[in-house]
Amino acid sequence: SQKIEQNSEALNIQEGKTATLTCNYTNYSPAYLQWYRQDPGRGPVFLLLIRENEKEKRKERLKVTFDTTLKQSLFHITASQPADSATYLCALGQSGTYKYIFGTGTRLKVLA
Amino acid sequence: ETGVTQTPRHLVMGMTNKKSLKCEQHLGHNAMYWYKQSAKKPLELMFVYSLEERVENNSVPSRFSPECPNSSHLFLHLHTLQPEDSALYLCASSHGDRVTEAFFGQGTRLTVV
Repeated sequence: SQKIEQNSEALNIQEGKTATLTCNYTNYSPAYLQWYRQDPGRGPVFLLLIRENEKEKRKERLKVTFDTTLKQSLFHITASQPADSATYLCALGQSGTYKYIFGTGTRLKVLA
Repeated sequence: ETGVTQTPRHLVMGMTNKKSLKCEQHLGHNAMYWYKQSAKKPLELMFVYSLEERVENNSVPSRFSPECPNSSHLFLHLHTLQPEDSALYLCASSHGDRVTEAFFGQGTRLTVV
């Protein structure tokens, strides 16, 4: 069955460092992969989308890579700030379907 | 705000009650979704509507009944729920025919007692 794993349930890092979150998947060939941010008690908010033919995408302090051979995506937050503390979800999708399949998320805490 | 509004934000209901969750979007999206989010579990897709027609129904118990009267509104009717149905219920919308992101509402925190 299709499975998405996000490397750790929780990750603590010091302010100013780069946070790296991992998303691995099996038994799936996504056309694209997305990253969302979720704060407690709120719905996920979209951050970045990367397609299968793209290796890397950037937006301000965020960077996403997508390796379809390794079946892995890495999500980086550079110069992290306490305000970046949240749960980050990866989601996979295929063209022509309405399904977004989500991972369980990684709870990031940036320490001041 | 994302443009997707859910009401109520919190709901406590007994196992014999009937209640409804409401979702509204005015983003011009043609697909709407219900997800269930339980602690330490990934978001579970429950239902998808495209152009007001149900296109996904992921083996959800019949005590959950969706309704999509038009492309801007989505309901989830609840009856005779179980305590294990307590969770955060999230509505989302998207341009269903494109590779694009989903916009989520704030969710309804449901507690079944």
